[in-house]
Amino acid sequence: EPEVTQTPSHQVTQMGQEVILRCVPISNHLYFYWYRQILGQKVEFLVSFYNNEISEKSEIFDDQFSVERPDGSNFTLKIRSTKLEDSAMYFCASASGRPAGELFFGEGSRLTVL
Amino acid sequence: AQKVTQAQTEISVVEKEDVTLDCVYETRDTTYYLFWYKQPPSGELVFLIRRNSFDEQNEISGRYSWNFQKSTSSFNFTITASQVVDSAVYFCALSASMNRDDKIIFGKGTRLHILP
Repeated sequence: EPEVTQTPSHQVTQMGQEVILRCVPISNHLYFYWYRQILGQKVEFLVSFYNNEISEKSEIFDDQFSVERPDGSNFTLKIRSTKLEDSAMYFCASASGRPAGELFFGEGSRLTVL
Repeated sequence: AQKVTQAQTEISVVEKEDVTLDCVYETRDTTYYLFWYKQPPSGELVFLIRRNSFDEQNEISGRYSWNFQKSTSSFNFTITASQVVDSAVYFCALSASMNRDDKIIFGKGTRLHILP
């Protein structure tokens, strides 16, 4: 069964460092998303991406964040200068179409900022 | 504005009991989708069901059933004869607006403990 894969599963970094989280969406999917879940809290939308550009972003997704799909398969989330409050589980998701097709989530990347 | 409310933060039941998780949503869109996701202790998000706003028929899948009522803007989830493996956080979610790449808005989740 096709699945969304995310790497790394867990990353520990120092505050101020750049972090790149990687995702490989399901191959025929066209819509890509990043969500964040601070420990014990709700899953929050960060950004959606379609046709090689951001289609929507939340207020959380400030200038420290960026996304790209560099090679047609990977979908990355970059945090330029991490803050303590960026510690969270980051979920990548993809969907084959809209509206509201079933989102397939990866298993998440846990980011710990020290 | 779109919003999903899961008023039950945490529920504990004894195995084999039935349990209902409540979900109330808000949207001004006439077309929308409702979801339930399960997050087991391992952390991944597991899709359980999607329901569109035009289909109010209740659905049953094994021990799981969903009750969608537009009149009360609710989409409740019932687990019958609960099992320890059902222990997880359950998220209700909403996606609305046909005209955009629709993000899903999650509720805060209900943590369900099934006690042996």
